[in-house]
Amino acid sequence: DAGITQSPRHKVTETGTPVTLRCHQTENHRYMYWYRQDPGHGLRLIHYSYGVKDTDKGEVSDGYSVSRSKTEDFLLTLESATSSQTSVYFCAISESGHKPTGANVLTFGAGSRLTVL
Amino acid sequence: QKEVEQDPGPLSVPEGAIVSLNCTYSNSAFQYFMWYRQYSRKGPELLMYTYSSGNKEDGRFTAQVDKSSKYISLFIRDSQPSDSATYLCAMRGGGADGLTFGKGTHLIIQP
Repeated sequence: DAGITQSPRHKVTETGTPVTLRCHQTENHRYMYWYRQDPGHGLRLIHYSYGVKDTDKGEVSDGYSVSRSKTEDFLLTLESATSSQTSVYFCAISESGHKPTGANVLTFGAGSRLTVL
Repeated sequence: QKEVEQDPGPLSVPEGAIVSLNCTYSNSAFQYFMWYRQYSRKGPELLMYTYSSGNKEDGRFTAQVDKSSKYISLFIRDSQPSDSATYLCAMRGGGADGLTFGKGTHLIIQP
């Protein structure tokens, strides 16, 4: 999907275990995002990054942390997974991001489907 | 009241019909309006975006924005079974705002 790779694509884990999802881009875009998508809620922003080591919280950040040590990689970590974090997680990238003008068009990865038992 | 409202459907129409998908919003600061299409088990992909009010056409697709009514539409002409997907509206204002998404409308085009 347009230079974005998410891994793993599918994961089943148990409550209380740590989980890390990885997003890798080859577009050299500055802005990277993590969303979760759930029935009845649509897409909700978890965290985003506007540069290496620069991150900020989104709408549903509790229970999640992120890191970005390289432009191309953005990691999402669930320190202790809970059943409420069962979801499909999408990484997205943007060239214009949160600049004052412009549409902030997002390009999404294929998603990572996480099941927490 | 949610900032962006979108009927989840499903909306089922016969092949060849004109489809109208809509979103309403409450934040008058929104200036940029987008439509994304999402096939089952895939990531959303951008279909169209418009700035401020007016119409924009791209092939069989027309996006329409009416800021006075806080209402946006996506029209699909000569609908095809391959148009069956979930359609998400998204919008943002200026400044450092991110995108606000609707929940998506599930569209089914019957052959």
